[in-house]
Amino acid sequence: DAGVTQSPTHLIKTRGQQVTLRCSPKSGHDTVSWYQQALGQGPQFIFQYYEEEERQRGNFPDRFSGHQFPNYSSELNVNALLLGDSALYLCASSLGQGDNQPQHFGDGTRLSIL
Amino acid sequence: QKEVEQDPGPLSVPEGAIVSLNCTYSNSAFQYFMWYRQYSRKGPELLMYTYSSGNKEDGRFTAQVDKSSKYISLFIRDSQPSDSATYLCAMSALRSSASKIIFGSGTRLSIRP
Repeated sequence: DAGVTQSPTHLIKTRGQQVTLRCSPKSGHDTVSWYQQALGQGPQFIFQYYEEEERQRGNFPDRFSGHQFPNYSSELNVNALLLGDSALYLCASSLGQGDNQPQHFGDGTRLSIL
Repeated sequence: QKEVEQDPGPLSVPEGAIVSLNCTYSNSAFQYFMWYRQYSRKGPELLMYTYSSGNKEDGRFTAQVDKSSKYISLFIRDSQPSDSATYLCAMSALRSSASKIIFGSGTRLSIRP
């Protein structure tokens, strides 16, 4: 039973570029959340997708956008990259919107901005 | 002021010791409390979750929640070198998976053989 998978594992970009990160949820899960984890910090919530719609959003600018596909996989897009966008980007999946359904995390994509 | 405060450590203890990890929070709306373990270069792994005040035990791990003091703890008994990792407390306002999770900054724990 595959867990949450993310690609790529590492990525190096320069300021001003755009990047797309991908996530496949755990088998049977239909809800995907994205988090940003800066070095030495806890993950910060970016947004959540369910039924192909953005359901909730954290305090991140519009440069951060996403998408969920009919197979529940998801993409995170970041435009006009800044040095401060360097971080580990984590995807978490869960089942539905009901109670007691914990979020399971992938191992993340490490993004470095030069 | 951050919504969730966690001592970043690092914390180093000898093998077999009891470890106590703690977090405080300011938002009384938080109802669902979690502890995640994160090894280097890995994603967070859910260890325990609870939605009520009191203790919850799972093997060598005990989670404790005191909503009146806005204080949560994780105790690790008979600590092992394999417990060396960063421990993240986390909480949300809803029990639903639709709720965004607010994390502490993590405590780095090292167990000395």
